Amino acid sequence: DIQMTQSPASLSASLGETVSIDCLPSEGISNDLAWYQQKSGKSPQLLIYAASRLQDGVPSRFSGSRSGTRYSLQISGMQPEDEADYFCQQSYRYPPTFGGGTNLELK
Amino acid sequence: EVQLVESGGGLVQPGRSLKLSCAASGFTFSGYYMAWVRQAPKKGLEWVASISYEGDTIYYGDSVKGRFTISRDNAKSTLYLQMNSLRSEDTATYYCARHYVYYGGSYFDYWGQGVMVTVSS
Repeated sequence: DIQMTQSPASLSASLGETVSIDCLPSEGISNDLAWYQQKSGKSPQLLIYAASRLQDGVPSRFSGSRSGTRYSLQISGMQPEDEADYFCQQSYRYPPTFGGGTNLELK
Repeated sequence: EVQLVESGGGLVQPGRSLKLSCAASGFTFSGYYMAWVRQAPKKGLEWVASISYEGDTIYYGDSVKGRFTISRDNAKSTLYLQMNSLRSEDTATYYCARHYVYYGGSYFDYWGQGVMVTVSS
């Protein structure tokens, strides 16, 4: 199975701050990566797919990118409603695997 | 509006069985792969199983292979998960998700609200 190492495990950001969350797969995944947001007590919601494509209805402050083998989710300007857990997920090969998650809090 | 509504969860003893259902609406059910993803309490997400449009291609995670069976009824727009030989480690919230498959990859673009399954004596 492809292991997804997500960092950091937790993060605290101020209002308006730019936040970055990383995911490092154990092998190449050719941009087959998605990011999800899960607010407390709710089901996950898709933010980004194919590494950098924004899902319909997701605010433009969310973006995804790749640098070498590392994938990143960036939030440009932290908002109170962005407090949540974030997960990456690879779909390059079965089984689909998720990163361990990042808990993002507003400072 | 896409809606996925799970049902059938509850408390069950180890070794017993349970069947989850997911009623879909707001899209052409037969035009999409579907999946189950679970989340143990205070833990991360774990993919459980996926099923193709007509149910002829099925994938399972290693932790449930041989014990769980995913199926679908396109006439009823309903997804199922038959869970047998349940273990305490199967305790989790189970989410039904639409599994969008494209050339080279896939993602889960819509999720249900989840149903809790607790395996305990």
